[in-house]
Amino acid sequence: SAVISQKPSRDICQRGTSLTIQCQVDSQVTMMFWYRQQPGQSLTLIATANQGSEATYESGFVIDKFPISRPNLTFSTLTVSNMSPEDSSIYLCSVGLGGELFFGEGSRLTVL
Amino acid sequence: KQEVTQIPAALSVPEGENLVLNCSFTDSAIYNLQWFRQDPGKGLTSLLLIQSSQREQTSGRLNASLDKSSGRSTLYIAASQPGDSATYLCAVSSMDSSYKLIFGSGTRLLVRP
Repeated sequence: SAVISQKPSRDICQRGTSLTIQCQVDSQVTMMFWYRQQPGQSLTLIATANQGSEATYESGFVIDKFPISRPNLTFSTLTVSNMSPEDSSIYLCSVGLGGELFFGEGSRLTVL
Repeated sequence: KQEVTQIPAALSVPEGENLVLNCSFTDSAIYNLQWFRQDPGKGLTSLLLIQSSQREQTSGRLNASLDKSSGRSTLYIAASQPGDSATYLCAVSSMDSSYKLIFGSGTRLLVRP
C-alpha cells in the first residue's frame, strides 16, 4: 500500500478565489489521480496526473478550471480555480499500486 | 457507458448480525472490482480487491464475491460491530484502464450497539 497525505484537510473559501491542494505519497508511483466527491454523491474522476506532462482530463472537467501539476513521482497538486459554491466538495488524491487504488484522506472545500 | 448501482442505499442492523451489501454493474467487461469503506468526512480505505478472473476474496470478517457474467458483487460482513458503521463503496475498472474506477453511490451502514 501507500501513505498519501493531502493538504489542506479542509478549507473555507470565498467565491471567485482559487485554492491549491497538495498530495504527497511516501513512495514513487506512476499512476496518480484526482477525484471529486460532491455532497451526498459518490466519487467522480477529474483527471489522471501524468508525471512530466499535461494531465488527462475526464469529460466535463477542463484544465482552466482544474489545473494539475505533477513535478515528480511522489507529488501532485490540484488547483480549483475561480471557485463557486458548486465547487464545494471533497477532493481526493489517489494512487494506483499493484492493480489497486489507494486514497488520501481528502480535502473538504466549502465555497461561500 | 458503465453504471454501478448499490443496494440498499442505507442499512441499520443490530450488533452481531451478518449482513450482505449488493453491487451491480452494467458492463461485464471489467478489469477488477474494489470495495472501499468511507467514514464520515474522510477518505477511502480499500477493503478488498477482486480481479475479473477471481470469484471471491476474504479479509477477516469480510468476504466479497464477484459474478462477472451477471454483473454482480456482494460484500458479506460477519458478526457486525458498531465500528463497522460507515459508507461502503463498490467500484469497477475497465479493461482499457485498470486504475480508472467507476463508483457506485454507496451503502450507508449503521450497526446499533
